[in-house]
Amino acid sequence: DIQMTQSPSSVSASVGDRVTITCRASQHIGGWLAWYQQKPGKAPKLLIYAASTLQSGVPSRFTGSGSGTDFTLTINSLQPEDFATYFCQHANSFPHTFGGGTKVEIK
Amino acid sequence: EVQLMESGGDLVQPGGSLRLSCTASGFTFSDFWMTWIRQAPGKGLEWVATIKKDGSEKYYVDSVKGRFTISRDNAETSLSLHMNSLRVEDTAVYYCSRYEETPRRLLNYWGQGTLVTVSS
Repeated sequence: DIQMTQSPSSVSASVGDRVTITCRASQHIGGWLAWYQQKPGKAPKLLIYAASTLQSGVPSRFTGSGSGTDFTLTINSLQPEDFATYFCQHANSFPHTFGGGTKVEIK
Repeated sequence: EVQLMESGGDLVQPGGSLRLSCTASGFTFSDFWMTWIRQAPGKGLEWVATIKKDGSEKYYVDSVKGRFTISRDNAETSLSLHMNSLRVEDTAVYYCSRYEETPRRLLNYWGQGTLVTVSS
């Protein structure tokens, strides 16, 4: 099975900051990576799929990059509504494992 | 509007069984694969199982193989997760999600979740 290692597990940032989250796959997964945002008590929300394609309706301050084994989610100019937990997930082969999550907290 | 509504979560003793359901609306259910994902209290997301559009292929995370069965009824637009031999570590919120396998491989709609608590 492919393991997904996400870092950092948490980050403190201020409104307007740029935040970068990384996700590393234990095997090559091509571009089959998605990013999800989850707020407390809510279901996750798809942000980015195929490593770098922004889901409809998601603000352009969210960008994804990478391929193969190393991927990045960048949030430019952090907004108050962006404080949440972010998860990566691969879809290269079953099981579609999630990363451990990154909590973006207010500094 | 796409809607997914889970039900069936409950408190159950270790070794017990439970059946979760997910009722879908707002899209052609038989055109999409479906997935169950769970989240233990205060923990991350765990992919549990996925079923193909026609039910002909099913995939499970190792920790539930032989204990959980995913199934679907396309006529009733419903997804199920039959859970047997439940363990304390199965305690979680269980989400159903619509999986778009082709061409984008993504989970773009999720239900609100249903809580399963396994405890004596």
